[in-house]
Amino acid sequence: GENVEQHPSTLSVQEGDSAVIKCTYSDSASNYFPWYKQELGKGPQLIIDIRSNVGEKKDQRIAVTLNKTAKHFSLHITETQPEDSAVYFCAAFTNAGKSTFGDGTTLTVKP
Amino acid sequence: DAGVIQSPRHEVTEMGQEVTLRCKPISGHDYLFWYRQTMMRGLELLIYFNNNVPIDDSGMPEDRFSAKMPNASFSTLKIQPSEPRDSAVYFCASSFTSRHEQYFGPGTRLTVT
Repeated sequence: GENVEQHPSTLSVQEGDSAVIKCTYSDSASNYFPWYKQELGKGPQLIIDIRSNVGEKKDQRIAVTLNKTAKHFSLHITETQPEDSAVYFCAAFTNAGKSTFGDGTTLTVKP
Repeated sequence: DAGVIQSPRHEVTEMGQEVTLRCKPISGHDYLFWYRQTMMRGLELLIYFNNNVPIDDSGMPEDRFSAKMPNASFSTLKIQPSEPRDSAVYFCASSFTSRHEQYFGPGTRLTVT
C-alpha cells in the first residue's frame, strides 16, 4: 500500500520567515496531493492541493510543488504569521479515493 | 451548507459498551470517509463509501468495528464491544467525487475507560 513520509515533525520559525514542509510517497498510482491545516480541537481543513499533471501551484502566501518522478511534494509558506501556527498534514490520494496521510508537522510561528 | 456534521462531539464510555458515532455529510457529496486520529498512529483512513456503498474497509482495525451508510445523508460507525485502545478522535469527511477535496467534520472524541 501507499506510504507517505512527512518531515520535519516539528518546525519553529520567526514571524515573517518562510516555512517548508516536505513529503514523499511510494505509490505511483497516487495523483492528488492535498495539504491540510489542523487547529486544536478542530478537523483538518484543506489549504492547498495539487494534481499530478501540475508541477507547482500558488495561493497568496502558500505554494505547493510536486516532483512526480522523485515522488515528493512540498508545502511552502512565506511571510509566516502567528496564526499560521498549527499542525499541517500532507496526503496522497488515488483516483479511487483511497487516502494516506503523513504524520503531521507542528508549526510554531514566534511573534 | 452547515458542513459535515458529527455527533456526539464527545463520548465517554466504559470498556465493553457499544459506541455509535454519527455523521451527516455535505448534501450532494457522493463520497464519505471515516478516519481515526491518535497520537501514536496519526490520521488513519478506516473506511469509505461511494454512493452509500462501502468501497474499501481495509483500514477497519477489527471485526468490532462496523460502518453503515443507509442513505446519502447519514452514516454510522459502530464499535462493539469498545476497548480502551479505541480511545481516539474519529473524523468523518465527505467529498463531491474521489478527485475533489474532502471536507472534514469537527470530530468525535471517544474515551473508553
